[in-house]
Amino acid sequence: DVVMTQSPLSLPVTLGQPASISCRSSQSLVHSDGNTYLNWFQHRPGQSPRRLIYRVSNRDSGVPARFSGSGSGTDFTLKISRVEAEDVGVYYCMQGTHWPRTFGQGTKVEIK
Amino acid sequence: EVQLLDSGGGLVQPGGSLRLSCAASGFIFTNYGMTWVRQAPGKGLEWVSTIDYSGGSTFYADSVKGRFTLSRDNSKNTLHLQMNSLRVDDTAIYFCARGFYDIDVWGQGTTVTVSS
Repeated sequence: DVVMTQSPLSLPVTLGQPASISCRSSQSLVHSDGNTYLNWFQHRPGQSPRRLIYRVSNRDSGVPARFSGSGSGTDFTLKISRVEAEDVGVYYCMQGTHWPRTFGQGTKVEIK
Repeated sequence: EVQLLDSGGGLVQPGGSLRLSCAASGFIFTNYGMTWVRQAPGKGLEWVSTIDYSGGSTFYADSVKGRFTLSRDNSKNTLHLQMNSLRVDDTAIYFCARGFYDIDVWGQGTTVTVSS
């Protein structure tokens, strides 16, 4: 199975400051079709997960521009340029290239 | 509006069965693979199963293989997860989600509790 390793697992941030979450996979996530199926989700308490980024760097409709994704191969990053109060929650990366699909452990973002 | 409505959760004894359903609306159901993801209490997200757009191919996590069966009724825009031989560690919120490689839209979740 492809292991997705996120760091840090806990991320206290000051409002207005940037935040960065790393996600590393144990195998390349480049699919035979040429796509890299790496997604980022935000999960707020009591809500369903919400996708923020798909295929490494594509921001979903309605997702604020302060969220961005980057990376390639086995090394990926989610960045929040300036954290707002509504960004509190747990963030997961997930790979959709290999079976079984696998998620990172989750990174809990909280306000200092 | 794209919507997924999960249902069928409940309390069941170990060894029992439940059938979860997911009603899809607002998109062409037959164009999409569909997936179930679960979250056990205090834990992270865990992929459970995926079915392709036609229902011809299904994939399962090792933890549920041989016990869970995923199917779809494309005439009714509905997804079903038949869960047999349930175990205490199957206790979780189960989310239906749209997608095969990329998961985008999620249902609200339905809670399954396996306990004696």
